[in-house]
Amino acid sequence: AQSVTQPDIHITVSEGASLELRCNYSYGATPYLFWYVQSPGQGLQLLLKYFSGDTLVQGIKGFEAEFKRSQSSFNLRKPSVHWSDAAEYFCAVVPFNQAGTALIFGKGTTLSVSS
Amino acid sequence: KAGVTQTPRYLIKTRGQQVTLSCSPISGHRSVSWYQQTPGQGLQFLFEYFSETQRNKGNFPGRFSGRQFSNSRSEMNVSTLELGDSALYLCASSLGQGPTHYGYTFGSGTRLTVV
Repeated sequence: AQSVTQPDIHITVSEGASLELRCNYSYGATPYLFWYVQSPGQGLQLLLKYFSGDTLVQGIKGFEAEFKRSQSSFNLRKPSVHWSDAAEYFCAVVPFNQAGTALIFGKGTTLSVSS
Repeated sequence: KAGVTQTPRYLIKTRGQQVTLSCSPISGHRSVSWYQQTPGQGLQFLFEYFSETQRNKGNFPGRFSGRQFSNSRSEMNVSTLELGDSALYLCASSLGQGPTHYGYTFGSGTRLTVV
């Protein structure tokens, strides 16, 4: 079945440490790939997206993501986490043949940052 | 420029009642999409309106409906409210249809509680 999986429900990282949030998808063709962030009480903000080309994508707030076709993954990374990065992170896809449709979201990963 | 405005921010309704939520998109944006966010089901697509026409619909019962006005403002209506309709309802505006080509801007959401 087609799906987007974020294996980690909750991650705690020390401030200044590196971060990697995992996302795997199960689709026949590589979908359009997105990462969004949601701070408490707020809507969703786009961090970055991948449609094609260079498999390492740079986003806002110092985030980057790497697309790996062989692993059907699109993991989000940040070299040094700040306390303000504490939020919920969502991986999302749009199936390749449904570009005009809607986002399909993973269940999200909650990031806590410890001092 | 002004962002996506959702009103009201918070709402408490009783089972069996109906509710109307409003979304004003960014000026010039012609598409409004609605998503429901719950702890159990996560983020799920409700429907999208573009140029006053429903272009896409998610897998929700007919109690959930929407419309878009000529100024691109959108409303969604839920009739015969159930406890399970308690959720954060997010709208997203875009220049064009779907989230891929022009991207979404999300509002901060309306928190609906059904008692």
